[in-house]
Amino acid sequence: AQTVTQSQPEMSVQEAETVTLSCTYDTSESDYYLFWYKQPPSRQMILVIRQEAYKQQNATENRFSVNFQKAAKSFSLKISDSQLGDAAMYFCAYRSGSGTYKYIFGTGTRLKVLA
Amino acid sequence: SAVISQKPSRDICQRGTSLTIQCQVDSQVTMMFWYRQQPGQSLTLIATANQGSEATYESGFVIDKFPISRPNLTFSTLTVSNMSPEDSSIYLCSVRDGGIFNEQFFGPGTRLTVL
Repeated sequence: AQTVTQSQPEMSVQEAETVTLSCTYDTSESDYYLFWYKQPPSRQMILVIRQEAYKQQNATENRFSVNFQKAAKSFSLKISDSQLGDAAMYFCAYRSGSGTYKYIFGTGTRLKVLA
Repeated sequence: SAVISQKPSRDICQRGTSLTIQCQVDSQVTMMFWYRQQPGQSLTLIATANQGSEATYESGFVIDKFPISRPNLTFSTLTVSNMSPEDSSIYLCSVRDGGIFNEQFFGPGTRLTVL
């Protein structure tokens, strides 16, 4: 069975600085997708970034980028130029590429942004 | 992406009662999901709501406790039956996007407190 691990329950970053959130996963599959979701205090889960396992190029969305290391089964999220609005819970998620649409979520990392 | 609404946004209920949560999507979607997020925890999939047939429940969740309806492609309900304080959680519905990533988009959640 697949698992997703986020080893950092909480992280802090100074406004305008860069922070990296860690995520590792375990799977025997070669085809899968990885996601980072953000859950602000308002509770609305928002998709931040996504990555296909077969793509070597790391995904980037504005200030958000990932470091995808397939062999190491690592999928970290880098937030550059951190803003106060980035404060939230961040969840890493895995989805098999085999036809099931179920997500497996990590336990989350709470990010605090310090002014 | 789909716009998803949930009702109620929060409720406080007495043990032994039941609560029905509604999930409405602004477009037709093939797959809808119900998740539970216990306080300070990650998201756990309860079931997949199938249009025109019974929901598919995950291990540890049963239809008698969490009956689900999916009368059409834009609407679903989740009922939390015979509630106990352990059912106090955030309940979220999500829908699957039909694109290549089949990513999920989430509703704002329903915060349930059982006294």
